Amino acid sequence: SSELTQDPAVSVALGQTVRITCQGDSLRSYYASWYQQKPGQAPVLVIYGKNNRPSGIPDRFSGSSSGNTASLTITGAQAEDEADYYCNSRDSSGNHQVVFGGGTKLTVL
Amino acid sequence: QLQLQESGPGLVKPSETLSLTCTVSGGSISSSSYYWGWIRQPPGKGLEWIGSIYYSGSTYYNPSLKSRVTISVDTSKNQFSLKLSSVTAADTAVYYCARQIAVAEVVDYWGQGTLVTVSS
Repeated sequence: SSELTQDPAVSVALGQTVRITCQGDSLRSYYASWYQQKPGQAPVLVIYGKNNRPSGIPDRFSGSSSGNTASLTITGAQAEDEADYYCNSRDSSGNHQVVFGGGTKLTVL
Repeated sequence: QLQLQESGPGLVKPSETLSLTCTVSGGSISSSSYYWGWIRQPPGKGLEWIGSIYYSGSTYYNPSLKSRVTISVDTSKNQFSLKLSSVTAADTAVYYCARQIAVAEVVDYWGQGTLVTVSS
């Protein structure tokens, strides 16, 4: 199975822009999805596909991809965006295996 | 609004089998558009996909857990279940059931999660 690598921690000043990245071989073939998880809560899908937001997700969240790297960008980070963020994708084997990144802890200063 | 609810014992003894059920409401588990899966999260750690099942019964498992995992579906009850055998303390985690968009690995709905502790 393949792996997805994320930076363990990232910080951003309130109102600034932050990019959270996810690297892995499978991302050359498949889109990443992104999930936000706040303490004690289940993850919430924030970005999927090329750059799609589920209903209710603010438009300050966006996604992009290049080569083996997928990125989640928060433009104008808010205090409520402080959370853990996980990426996931299909495993590069293509056999419907799912893989998650290790997660990035976002701190809003 | 789709809802998923996990149920099962919160404490399991080492070497025994962990069994959880997920009840789906607000939608049909027999939809051809979705898989239904289990994901776990050890305390303070990241997410780990356990496996998924299609309403027809086709299953896909994490290779690292495949020898111990069985996922089944009961369309008449709109439920799917997880069995994990020969558990150890390393299997202590919050277990989430979830809906996964078919032909993609997008998990669009999650249950609230249930903590299962493996201890004697």
